[in-house]
Amino acid sequence: GAGVSQSPRYKVAKRGQDVALRCDPISGHVSLFWYQQALGQGPEFLTYFQNEAQLDKSGLPSDRFFAERPEGSVSTLKIQRTQQEDSAVYLCASSQERGYSNQPQHFGDGTRLSIL
Amino acid sequence: GNSVTQMEGPVTLSEEAFLTINCTYTATGYPSLFWYVQYPGEGLQLLLKATKADDKGSNKGFEATYRKETTSFHLEKGSVQVSDSAVYFCALSRETSGSRLTFGEGTQLTVNP
Repeated sequence: GAGVSQSPRYKVAKRGQDVALRCDPISGHVSLFWYQQALGQGPEFLTYFQNEAQLDKSGLPSDRFFAERPEGSVSTLKIQRTQQEDSAVYLCASSQERGYSNQPQHFGDGTRLSIL
Repeated sequence: GNSVTQMEGPVTLSEEAFLTINCTYTATGYPSLFWYVQYPGEGLQLLLKATKADDKGSNKGFEATYRKETTSFHLEKGSVQVSDSAVYFCALSRETSGSRLTFGEGTQLTVNP
C-alpha cells in the first residue's frame, strides 16, 4: 500500500518567493501533521489537522506560514515571502486515529526547501 | 512543557558491538514514547514504541523500556550491524497536546565493518 507522499522532494526558491508543499497522507488517515526539520536537528511541530479541521497551528513560526486540508485528505503547506531561515526539510505525517497519543505517525520522505 | 533529551552524538561502533542511546524526557502525566529511525535520504520510520510505564518496545533486535521513575526510554541493541547506521530520534506524545510528537535532537550512529 502507498505510504505518505510528499512533493516536490526538493525545492529551491529565491528569497521573497512564495512556495507550496504538498502532502498526500495514507488513505483513510484522520490525523495529519506538519513538522519542520532544520539541519542536524530533530523535527519540530508546525500544525495538526483532524480531517479538514486545523486543530492546532501553534507551531507555525510566523503568519507567512499557512496550511490547509480542505477535503480532509491532501494537505498543502504554503510559505509566503520566503526567507533564508525557512530553509529546512518539511515533513508530513499521518495517523489513523484522531488524537490518540499511542498511535504511531507515518512520515513521508519530506521536502527539502532551500532559499537562496 | 514537554521535552526530550538524547545523548550527544555522533556514535561510532564496530559491527557486533553493544549499543545504548540514552533518552530522558520531561512531561506531565503519562506520555507515549517512541523511537524513530531516519536512514540517509529517507523519511522517519517508527522503530518501536511504549505507551505505559514498564512497557518494553522491541523491533529488529532493538529494545527500549519505559521507565517512569527515571523518566527514561533508552534504546539498546545487543549486536549492531552496518545496516543500522542511521539517525535515531527519541520522541514523546500526549493526547493533551493533540498527539503531536516532541522529538529529541537525534543521535547519528555509524557502524563500521
